[in-house]
Amino acid sequence: GQNIDQPTEMTATEGAIVQINCTYQTSGFNGLFWYQQHAGEAPTFLSYNVLDGLEEKGRFSSFLSRSKGYSYLLLKELQMKDSASYLCAAYDSNYQLIWGAGTKLIIKP
Amino acid sequence: IAGITQAPTSQILAAGRRMTLRCTQDMRHNAMYWYRQDLGLGLRLIHYSNTAGTTGKGEVPDGYSVSRANTDDFPLTLASAVPSQTSVYFCASRGTAHTDTQYFGPGTRLTVL
Repeated sequence: GQNIDQPTEMTATEGAIVQINCTYQTSGFNGLFWYQQHAGEAPTFLSYNVLDGLEEKGRFSSFLSRSKGYSYLLLKELQMKDSASYLCAAYDSNYQLIWGAGTKLIIKP
Repeated sequence: IAGITQAPTSQILAAGRRMTLRCTQDMRHNAMYWYRQDLGLGLRLIHYSNTAGTTGKGEVPDGYSVSRANTDDFPLTLASAVPSQTSVYFCASRGTAHTDTQYFGPGTRLTVL
């Protein structure tokens, strides 16, 4: 079956760095997305990786290893507004997005 | 209109009633999707449409139907609502390329009593 695994919840301190991991098993692979979702709101796009390596966008970076079925989202210089759920999703061979259950990130002052 | 709109924002519905959730996008995206999101389960695909005039079943299609008469609109209908359909429903659309980003509407919070 197809599956995306990510931790349910993580806690970090304002100003620190946090890494949210995601492992995936899909029938075929056509790229991996990270979305941010604040409580009561819609998911919003953060990053897309289809090739191995690190993609950096300001305070956020996303890494992909296709051979390991593994990705992580790295958030630097954490701010209170980064408190949200982070969703990992992978495109399978039919270009359907398979979603993880999300990681709730709690930022403490 | 900018992006994707959904209506209503929230609704409380008696079991057995029929309900249509509306979704409209103005980005001229071909592909559109309906997801439900339940605590601890993540987003689950209900139905999708790759282009106007075509629809397909997702992971959890039972009890739901969709239509795609034109590019902009993609309504989701619950023919006879049941309490297990209590959820937050998100409509999304995607650009031309298969790997384009999916953009989400603000969601409809539905409670079936």
